[in-house]
Amino acid sequence: AQSVTQLGSHVSVSEGALVLLRCNYSSSVPPYLFWYVQYPNQGLQLLLKYTTGATLVKGINGFEAEFKKSETSFHLTKPSAHMSDAAEYFCAVSDQANNNDMRFGAGTRLTVKP
Amino acid sequence: DSGVTQTPKHLITATGQRVTLRCSPRSGDLSVYWYQQSLDQGLQFLIQYYNGEERAKGNILERFSAQQFPDLHSELNLSSLELGDSALYFCASSVEGHTEAFFGQGTRLTVV
Repeated sequence: AQSVTQLGSHVSVSEGALVLLRCNYSSSVPPYLFWYVQYPNQGLQLLLKYTTGATLVKGINGFEAEFKKSETSFHLTKPSAHMSDAAEYFCAVSDQANNNDMRFGAGTRLTVKP
Repeated sequence: DSGVTQTPKHLITATGQRVTLRCSPRSGDLSVYWYQQSLDQGLQFLIQYYNGEERAKGNILERFSAQQFPDLHSELNLSSLELGDSALYFCASSVEGHTEAFFGQGTRLTVV
């Protein structure tokens, strides 16, 4: 079955610094990949997704992610962190070989220091 | 607003009791997912329904059950509740399983 591993349960950056959240996936067929964000006391909100086509995907709030098949990775980046980016981020994968069921990683909590 | 509605938002109940959580998916979405989020176990997939039928099961306890009704709303039933069942329970819906899932705001269950 498909699965996702997020490296680092906690990431801390300074305001204005690069944000890099790591995600590696496992899938027997071409995957669909997603990043979600969860702000405190809220549900998960889609940041961006990759299905087919261009491997560099841009999302909301200045985030982007690149699908690298050779590395089975889908890392999330943002050039300059803002205090409002502090949240929990989840990577997710789905594929047609598993009824397109979506599976989430354990999440990475991003802290932004002033 | 994601379009997914979960009720109630908060629930406090005693050990041994039974509760029902309700989810109304976005209009037109046939897939409904249930997730449990706790501090120690993160976001855990519980179960998925598609157009009224169970499609996939995750880490769902035997004390828990779910169903999806003809109008596509879903209910998650939790029985013989234990302190460790205290968590946020999320419902999500999607048109087809491989497109993005839209999440509700969650039901916070506290078992005392």
